[in-house]
Amino acid sequence: QKEVEQDPGPLSVPEGAIVSLNCTYSNSAFQYFMWYRQYSRKGPELLMYTYSSGNKEDGRFTAQVDKSSKYISLFIRDSQPSDSATYLCAMSDYKLSFGAGTTVTVRA
Amino acid sequence: EAQVTQNPRYLITVTGKKLTVTCSQNMNHEYMSWYRQDPGLGLRQIYYSMNVEVTDKGDVPEGYKVSRKEKRNFPLILESPSPNQTSLYFCASAPEQGLARETQYFGPGTRLLVL
Repeated sequence: QKEVEQDPGPLSVPEGAIVSLNCTYSNSAFQYFMWYRQYSRKGPELLMYTYSSGNKEDGRFTAQVDKSSKYISLFIRDSQPSDSATYLCAMSDYKLSFGAGTTVTVRA
Repeated sequence: EAQVTQNPRYLITVTGKKLTVTCSQNMNHEYMSWYRQDPGLGLRQIYYSMNVEVTDKGDVPEGYKVSRKEKRNFPLILESPSPNQTSLYFCASAPEQGLARETQYFGPGTRLLVL
């Protein structure tokens, strides 16, 4: 069993919809939780990170962490075609573990 | 422009022929790292460096070498490449040792094919 599980998708939504992404994990020692965006043929780009449980909002993006359920989420409001990318979750205790990524397409 | 650069971006080679992928950052970051990305497996860390002359193994170091002689450069060396090292490789750097793992900037990637 992988330490971090992420549904690979693909996920296709119409422009303006809310995109919901999630990851589950098994290691209760994880303290930091990150979301990266990766465009085709590009390196991952850090979107946001949170420490421990709770919510964090940055513009159209909201990250949620539920440590009791070992579950994290990323919501993208008012999605745009430019949000079409692969989204990677990542978590760390003394080392960093990545999910395999979810591919999202926002249709104009 | 602040960035992490990698060269080459694409490389086709044959089994056993030594190769080096260069990585350079212009942000004066202390932390640098190498990852490989394979379908369904996500990003896996190969090696990382907390500072000049300080390197350590990540999750999948077998078959790779690194060196950190200068702060800005962190080359990845494959002494005797094998087909199972065919992958997409990313170099990354980070500004803070305390949150280095959590706040990394990634390069554009090097796609390697070993025949």
